[in-house]
Amino acid sequence: QVQLVQSGAEVKKPGSSVKVSCKASGGTFSSYTISWVRQAPGQGLEWMGRIIPILGIANYAQKFQGRVTITADKSTSTAYMELSSLRSEDTAVYYCASGKPLDYWGQGTLVTVSS
Amino acid sequence: QSALTQPASVSGSPGQSITISCTGTSSDVGSYNLVSWYQQHPGKAPKLMIYEGSKRPSGVSNRFSGSKSGNTASLTISGLQAEDEADYYCCSYAGSSTLVFGTGTKVTVL
Repeated sequence: QVQLVQSGAEVKKPGSSVKVSCKASGGTFSSYTISWVRQAPGQGLEWMGRIIPILGIANYAQKFQGRVTITADKSTSTAYMELSSLRSEDTAVYYCASGKPLDYWGQGTLVTVSS
Repeated sequence: QSALTQPASVSGSPGQSITISCTGTSSDVGSYNLVSWYQQHPGKAPKLMIYEGSKRPSGVSNRFSGSKSGNTASLTISGLQAEDEADYYCCSYAGSSTLVFGTGTKVTVL
């Protein structure tokens, strides 16, 4: 059974960047995909992108192209999502989720963007 | 990629059946049998309920079932129970290794 543990809440200024981590245990990290999904307050789920750690290949939703970078460190079984040029609309809970379909989820990381 | 369209809310009495629709396009729902459904209770992470259109993960009640016709996928909850009250989201593969979620449906048990 895969467990995903995410880093803690962040408060960021507009224009800055945030990097959220997602550490996996159980299963074989390199063999499954890790997706990042966000949820703004009171809003729905939004897929941002995913990575296949064994290949190091990431794919992104068009909306986030150029502003999000998803990476993975196989040595520590940890995936990362970095979002740049933050604005207030990026305030949301960010989740990592593994597999195809998304069968295991992290606990979520609240990122607040405020001046 | 535009979000898949779901009704904002659906309600039913205990024991009844309800169906949630998820309408996409021929570029996502209509092209692949890769629709999944997620249940989300307030303040919690989503939980996978249905994958590949109609398959249930181990541990998910058989009261949940999925289907697809053309560009529209559906989730049916039979024998509605109080614990089913939650938000539900569909998700489809959209080509080029991308996914798209639905707008979400709030299920209320009357």
